[in-house]
Amino acid sequence: DTGVSQDPRHKITKRGQNVTFRCDPISEHNRLYWYRQTLGQGPEFLTYFQNEAQLEKSRLLSDRFSAERPKGSFSTLEIQRTEQGDSAMYLCASSRNNEQFFGPGTRLTVL
Amino acid sequence: EDQVTQSPEALRLQEGESSSLNCSYTVSGLRGLFWYRQDPGKGPEFLFTLYSAGEEKEKERLKATLTKKESFLHITAPKPEDSATYLCAVQANFGNEKLTFGTGTRLTIIP
Repeated sequence: DTGVSQDPRHKITKRGQNVTFRCDPISEHNRLYWYRQTLGQGPEFLTYFQNEAQLEKSRLLSDRFSAERPKGSFSTLEIQRTEQGDSAMYLCASSRNNEQFFGPGTRLTVL
Repeated sequence: EDQVTQSPEALRLQEGESSSLNCSYTVSGLRGLFWYRQDPGKGPEFLFTLYSAGEEKEKERLKATLTKKESFLHITAPKPEDSATYLCAVQANFGNEKLTFGTGTRLTIIP
């Protein structure tokens, strides 16, 4: 399967812990995006990479959030000192042109 | 600020009963309007991109249309497997790569 993959699919953590998610985009897609989705809402944009450069960041991306794409391939999203409000589905998408293709998401639950 | 409003929030149809979903948008110059399908617990699945008013695209029982202020997703003779949440998103001009999503229409097709 050559779609976008994300790992882990589910993560349960205690408040105050750090978590890291990984996204592997479709090969040859130079653009990579992170979104967050809560129940009953549409995805909300967090950040965007073109190759290894982080070009856009949402105001939703507080100082506790950091994303990297070190070699322009896979990306990681880290949340430090998690809070209960961080509980959500974290979605990764990739594109070569305009169409963004999404992965299955990582469901984060902060207890 | 870009905004997307989808209606209705939920729609229940009998199998074979055709209907339309609405997506109204305001955006500072439209680069593209996107339709996605999302099944529970999964990432959004790309359906269509529309770029200019008057454009139409079809895929199986789905047809998407676009005007300067809204888009419609027409579902003809739906089947139970068409049950899902349908998300609409816009991408603005001027260098923005992010998608701004609506909250979706939850469609249920009753056999």
